[in-house]
Amino acid sequence: QKEVEQNSGPLSVPEGAIASLNCTYSDRGSQSFFWYRQYSGKSPELIMFIYSNGDKEDGRFTAQLNKASQYVSLLIRDSQPSDSATYLCAVLTGNQFYFGTGTSLTVIP
Amino acid sequence: NAGVTQTPKFQVLKTGQSMTLQCAQDMNHNSMYWYRQDPGMGLRLIYYSASEGTTDKGEVPNGYNVSRLNKREFSLRLESAAPSQTSVYFCASIRAGGETQYFGPGTRLLVL
Repeated sequence: QKEVEQNSGPLSVPEGAIASLNCTYSDRGSQSFFWYRQYSGKSPELIMFIYSNGDKEDGRFTAQLNKASQYVSLLIRDSQPSDSATYLCAVLTGNQFYFGTGTSLTVIP
Repeated sequence: NAGVTQTPKFQVLKTGQSMTLQCAQDMNHNSMYWYRQDPGMGLRLIYYSASEGTTDKGEVPNGYNVSRLNKREFSLRLESAAPSQTSVYFCASIRAGGETQYFGPGTRLLVL
């Protein structure tokens, strides 16, 4: 079983809509959770991190963590064409980061 | 600040050749990481160095060696390249107690 699972998509949403990205993880000992954005041909860049149950908001982005269900999500409100990218979920377990395979998001103008 | 730099940007090798991928960071970060990214596989950790003088295996260490030369530099060596090592390699660093991994621009490696 992979450490981190994501729906590979692709996910398409119209401009201005809410995009919802989901991730599950297998190790209950994982301590921190991350969402990265990766544009085609570029390196990943951190959008948000969360380590406590509940919601964390940063501008148009909201990360949600449910440790009991081992579930992390990312909501992108008022989606823009510039949000079109692959979104990677990552978990920190001990000293190691484990990444999901990514969800491709396209925002249609 | 250059952040995390990687050399070379692109390399073509023949099976059996060796090469070293270089990574350097100027942010005084303690921890450094080497990942490979393959289509449909996401990022997978090859080796990491939690601090200067230490290195540890990640998920996919076979066929690779690393050296933490000093606090700034962390190199990845392929002793005998195989076509299965065709990938994009990313180096990353993070400060002690930090949450943000900073990634280099990547090295695209093709092994024929």
